[in-house]
Amino acid sequence: TAGITQAPTSQILAAGRSMTLRCTQDMRHNAMYWYRQDLGLGLRLIHYSNTAGTTGKGEVPDGYSVSRANTDDFPLTLASAVPSQTSVYFCASSDRAEDTQYFGPGTRLTVL
Amino acid sequence: GQNIDQPTEMTATEGAIVQINCTYQTSGFNGLFWYQQHAGEAPTFLSYNVLDGLEEKGRFSSFLSRSKGYSYLLLKELQMKDSASYLCAVRDSNYQLIWGAGTKLIIKP
Repeated sequence: TAGITQAPTSQILAAGRSMTLRCTQDMRHNAMYWYRQDLGLGLRLIHYSNTAGTTGKGEVPDGYSVSRANTDDFPLTLASAVPSQTSVYFCASSDRAEDTQYFGPGTRLTVL
Repeated sequence: GQNIDQPTEMTATEGAIVQINCTYQTSGFNGLFWYQQHAGEAPTFLSYNVLDGLEEKGRFSSFLSRSKGYSYLLLKELQMKDSASYLCAVRDSNYQLIWGAGTKLIIKP
């Protein structure tokens, strides 16, 4: 089973450009999450979705947007990338908000 | 504010036992998680504690004391493949996970 897939694996992006990080899960989980991971810091929640059609803001939502049109997909969009958005981005999902979260392989993004 | 503290790095010897501590101060408590993360990979779930006491799962055990805001992960019979970062996370009153920065565990032969 694939579980959670993310694309691309890595990307170098010029500042000011837009980009969408893709996340797809095949576990029919209701809840999905986007985190960023930076050296020396814990994972920080960007946005989340408890069920298809709803989204919420996490700890660090500025500069990012998400949508949840269906159960399986949860894309993260950077409208105008800045160097401080250089990070490793992880998508995760759980059956419900109160359940264990399972992570995708991550996308390493460098903004120059 | 919300805070999760764990040591930055620990070193242990193959075959030995190591205890990784985690202390937390959060807005509410709805469970504590431990994840393992190998370099360049995704975090993978290890254990979950919501009640006080010890949860054992093979070579790994996790302990929780809610009154002290304290947990530890105990790894026995260390193997080289246990070299990884170990992440402590607390689920707060909004059911969001608050993460520690992780403890990098180095295993020496």
